[in-house]
Amino acid sequence: DIQMTQSPSSLSASVGDRVTITCQASQDILNYINWYQQKLGEAPKLLVHDASKLATGVPLRFSGSGSGTNFTFTISSLQPEDFATYYCHQYDDVPLTFGGGTKVEI
Amino acid sequence: QVHLVESGGGVVQPGGSLRISCAASGFSFSSYAMNWVRQAPGKGLEWLAVLSFDGRDKFDADSVKGRFTLSRDNSKNMLHLEMSNLGVEDTAVYYCARGGYGDERGGFDYWGQGTLVTVSS
Repeated sequence: DIQMTQSPSSLSASVGDRVTITCQASQDILNYINWYQQKLGEAPKLLVHDASKLATGVPLRFSGSGSGTNFTFTISSLQPEDFATYYCHQYDDVPLTFGGGTKVEI
Repeated sequence: QVHLVESGGGVVQPGGSLRISCAASGFSFSSYAMNWVRQAPGKGLEWLAVLSFDGRDKFDADSVKGRFTLSRDNSKNMLHLEMSNLGVEDTAVYYCARGGYGDERGGFDYWGQGTLVTVSS
């Protein structure tokens, strides 16, 4: 199984801060990684697909990069509505797996 | 627009069975793989299973292998998950999520709102 090691598990930040989350895959997954945002009580929402492509309607402050085993998700200027939990997810091979999540708090 | 609506969740006793469903609309359901993902209270996301666009290929996680069965009815745009021998560890919100188009690899671009399954005596 492909393990997705996501870090940090939580972080505290302020509005306007630059936030970076990383995900390391246990083997090469090319660019088959998505990033999701989940707010409390809601379903996850796709933000970035194929490692670096922004999903439709997602603000440009969100971005993703990387390939192979090392990936980064960035919020360039944190907004109040961005406080949530973020997950990476590999879909290169079954079983599909998620990172453990990063809770972004004020 | 794409809409996924889960139903059928509820309270079930340990060892019991339950069938949950996902109604799809707003896209060509028969062209996409479909997945189930769950989230235990306060925990992260766990992928459970995927069913190919035509229903011929299924893959599932070890945690549900032999207990959970996926099916789909492309004529009714419905996805089902039949769960048996449920344990307290199966208590979670269950989401259906759209996967790849055709035979393509795909992450989950659309999710339902989830249905809560509680296993308790």
